[in-house]
Amino acid sequence: DTEVTQTPKHLVMGMTNKKSLKCEQHMGHRAMYWYKQKAKKPPELMFVYSYEKLSINESVPSRFSPECPNSSLLNLHLHALQPEDSALYLCASSQDRDRGLYEQFFGPGTRLTVL
Amino acid sequence: TQLLEQSPQFLSIQEGENLTVYCNSSSVFSSLQWYRQEPGEGPVLLVTVVTGGEVKKLKRLTFQFGDARKDSSLHITAAQPGDTGLYLCAGVVVSGNTGKLIFGQGTTLQVKP
Repeated sequence: DTEVTQTPKHLVMGMTNKKSLKCEQHMGHRAMYWYKQKAKKPPELMFVYSYEKLSINESVPSRFSPECPNSSLLNLHLHALQPEDSALYLCASSQDRDRGLYEQFFGPGTRLTVL
Repeated sequence: TQLLEQSPQFLSIQEGENLTVYCNSSSVFSSLQWYRQEPGEGPVLLVTVVTGGEVKKLKRLTFQFGDARKDSSLHITAAQPGDTGLYLCAGVVVSGNTGKLIFGQGTTLQVKP
């Protein structure tokens, strides 16, 4: 299985809602990533988990809360978002430290709209 | 701060034409990756270049890594409409046991039939 899956594919939420994005991989990768991407722009790194521990937080607002329940799962909890948070949220995984290449496998993303 | 300058940002060409996308930095990267992303999908890894001066070919795509490992290029020969998409170069930065990607700004390519 060489796939990263993300659910839901689309999400519309109000500014007072609480929702979660889910990501799963079964490739045995020990690094998992959350990115935010606006149209026609590169992905912006938000968080990195390495061996289920948060290793990088790129100064992301606290209304985004990541969680890594086990080595295959990654969640992103959303609360009190703003309309400018509307974007494609991508999850990726890599075989951390494998040959030092950190090649990433991306999921299809969750298209988030905040009203 | 390590930055990657990617150019051009937008390219619209006719089927059959050739094109080159450039990725430049003042910093040295241990390796550099190229991804292609189609609308509504996540980026897909095309190639990783590691050695200075390395050239890799993937069908009609040719990737080069500069001798000093600071720049890279992607050349597409006889572009097809199926090549349409967002092309991203990304340099690897390692901190401790964690690696992260520094992305260029991306090149949006449209190939018209």
